[in-house]
Amino acid sequence: AQSVTQLGSHVSVSEGALVLLRCNYSSSVPPYLFWYVQYPNQGLQLLLKYTSAATLVKGINGFEAEFKKSETSFHLTKPSAHMSDAAEYFCAVTVNSGGSNYKLTFGKGTLLTVNP
Amino acid sequence: EAGVVQSPRYKIIEKKQPVAFWCNPISGHNTLYWYLQNLGQGPELLIRYENEEAVDDSQLPKDRFSAERLKGVDSTLKIQPAELGDSAVYLCASSRGGTSTDTQYFGPGTRLTVL
Repeated sequence: AQSVTQLGSHVSVSEGALVLLRCNYSSSVPPYLFWYVQYPNQGLQLLLKYTSAATLVKGINGFEAEFKKSETSFHLTKPSAHMSDAAEYFCAVTVNSGGSNYKLTFGKGTLLTVNP
Repeated sequence: EAGVVQSPRYKIIEKKQPVAFWCNPISGHNTLYWYLQNLGQGPELLIRYENEEAVDDSQLPKDRFSAERLKGVDSTLKIQPAELGDSAVYLCASSRGGTSTDTQYFGPGTRLTVL
């Protein structure tokens, strides 16, 4: 079974600083990896996804993530934080089990706060 | 395009009472998911539908939870009777296809409080 571990339940950065949210996965087969963002009282929104094409994936709002098989990681980064980036971020993993047999497994989330 | 719609947004009930949540997916999306999100946790899949068929309900506690998706569009998730531990956010999501790489679009959720 696949799983993800998000290191750090809470990350705090200053506006304009680098954002780095860490995600490590565990999977016995090549994974597909996702980052979702959840703003207060809203549903989850997809930021980006890795589906075995380019290992550096660019997403919305200036975020990107790099799939590193050797490190089993898929960390999310953004060069310069904005106040509007404050939200909860979830890493998720699934695998291609063939046909319709799959499940998206989420990490526990990382709350990002941005200080002015 | 309209997003996934859920109602109600908030529900407070006494334990042992029944409760139902409704979800309207994005038009044209054949796959519908119900997730449970406990405080401080990521969503966990309860059930997945392909059109009218429940293709994965292995995580649904069938003694008290039930779901239906009549006509392959709207879906209802029911709990009867509710327990204190059911207090959580219930999220509905939909995707156009039913593969592992299809993007899932989430609704705002229903926050259930059981007293």
